[in-house]
Amino acid sequence: EPEVTQTPSHQVTQMGQEVILRCVPISNHLYFYWYRQILGQKVEFLVSFYNNEISEKSEIFDDQFSVERPDGSNFTLKIRSTKLEDSAMYFCASSDSASGPEAFFGQGTRLTVV
Amino acid sequence: KQEVTQIPAALSVPEGENLVLNCSFTDSAIYNLQWFRQDPGKGLTSLLLIQSSQREQTSGRLNASLDKSSGRSTLYIAASQPGDSATYLCAVKDSNYQLIWGAGTKLIIKP
Repeated sequence: EPEVTQTPSHQVTQMGQEVILRCVPISNHLYFYWYRQILGQKVEFLVSFYNNEISEKSEIFDDQFSVERPDGSNFTLKIRSTKLEDSAMYFCASSDSASGPEAFFGQGTRLTVV
Repeated sequence: KQEVTQIPAALSVPEGENLVLNCSFTDSAIYNLQWFRQDPGKGLTSLLLIQSSQREQTSGRLNASLDKSSGRSTLYIAASQPGDSATYLCAVKDSNYQLIWGAGTKLIIKP
């Protein structure tokens, strides 16, 4: 069964450092998403990406964040100058249509900022 | 602004019981509703998807219903097992194609 793969599974970084979270979506999917879940809180939408550009982004997704699809297979989330409050589980998802189900989520990357 | 609420926040039942988890949303303009399962510290597993035009979906011991006009969905779990213990999340895809999530119901099935 196809799956979304995220690496690393856990990353610890010092405050102020840059991190890159990586995702390999389902190969024939065209829509990609990042979500995050701070411990004990709801899952929150960060950004959606289609045709090599951001299609939607939430208020959380400020200039500290960026996404790109560097090589046609990976989809990355970069967080510049990390803050303690960026500590969360980050989930990548992919879909074959905008209105279709985002049934395919990765297992998440747990980011811990110290 | 779409908001999703799940009740109860936590539920503990003996093994073998049938149970219902509830999800409500404030804006009926949705594309679909999904139920997910999340084990502690783990990822998200999609359980059932109901398109906005559908009323229910079934998978094994799980049945999800959708009443879009009243902004409600239920997840029915039949003959619960200890392995069903997890947090169950409800999410709706809104008119901006974003998934809006509930806070989840933490389910414990006692052997």
